[in-house]
Amino acid sequence: DAKTTQPPSMDCAEGRAANLPCNHSTISGNEYVYWYRQIHSQGPQYIIHGLKNNETNEMASLIITEDRKSSTLILPHATLRDTAVYYCIVRAAMDSSYKLIFGSGTRLLVRP
Amino acid sequence: SAVISQKPSRDICQRGTSLTIQCQVDSQVTMMFWYRQQPGQSLTLIATANQGSEATYESGFVIDKFPISRPNLTFSTLTVSNMSPEDSSIYLCSAEQGSGEKLFFGSGTQLSVL
Repeated sequence: DAKTTQPPSMDCAEGRAANLPCNHSTISGNEYVYWYRQIHSQGPQYIIHGLKNNETNEMASLIITEDRKSSTLILPHATLRDTAVYYCIVRAAMDSSYKLIFGSGTRLLVRP
Repeated sequence: SAVISQKPSRDICQRGTSLTIQCQVDSQVTMMFWYRQQPGQSLTLIATANQGSEATYESGFVIDKFPISRPNLTFSTLTVSNMSPEDSSIYLCSAEQGSGEKLFFGSGTQLSVL
């Protein structure tokens, strides 16, 4: 079963920051927080992941609370092409199976 | 990043027939996975395709219905057997790259069963 809780939908205006929350209150010490997104009719795309420190890459920033029970994915300047379903997943990266278990995700709509 | 190609991209099949979906990765990978995405739903893991051994199936999925092959480190197939309309879904292949920190996905196979 998925170990994360996300709002089913959100929207934001184009050019503004999109902040997508995720609750993972039962996360274990060796589990990472991963974010993927799925644009309509495509396979999921990796965005970012982190263990306990905040992370940033060319796509987004990931803010993980100190107790690691929740996190926020930030798209700093959302564009219409960021409209997608965003999945927050916890996973033991060093687990030999490496499998991802998807929850229901957040459907983000970026408005013009 | 790994490039994953799936064939066919879509198919329409008759009830009772079988379809084999191919997944080709442009580099050697350790782990490959097959997912199903029913209309309007999230992804559900079907199985882990193990190279050189039998696939590991998730609860609710069985080998007789979804036989999987993994003959080498770049290729896998998933067969959907004795299809029914309930098997109409998108089937996605994924593979890990490098140390396993990232999984990459193919664009999927859209299957419709009449």
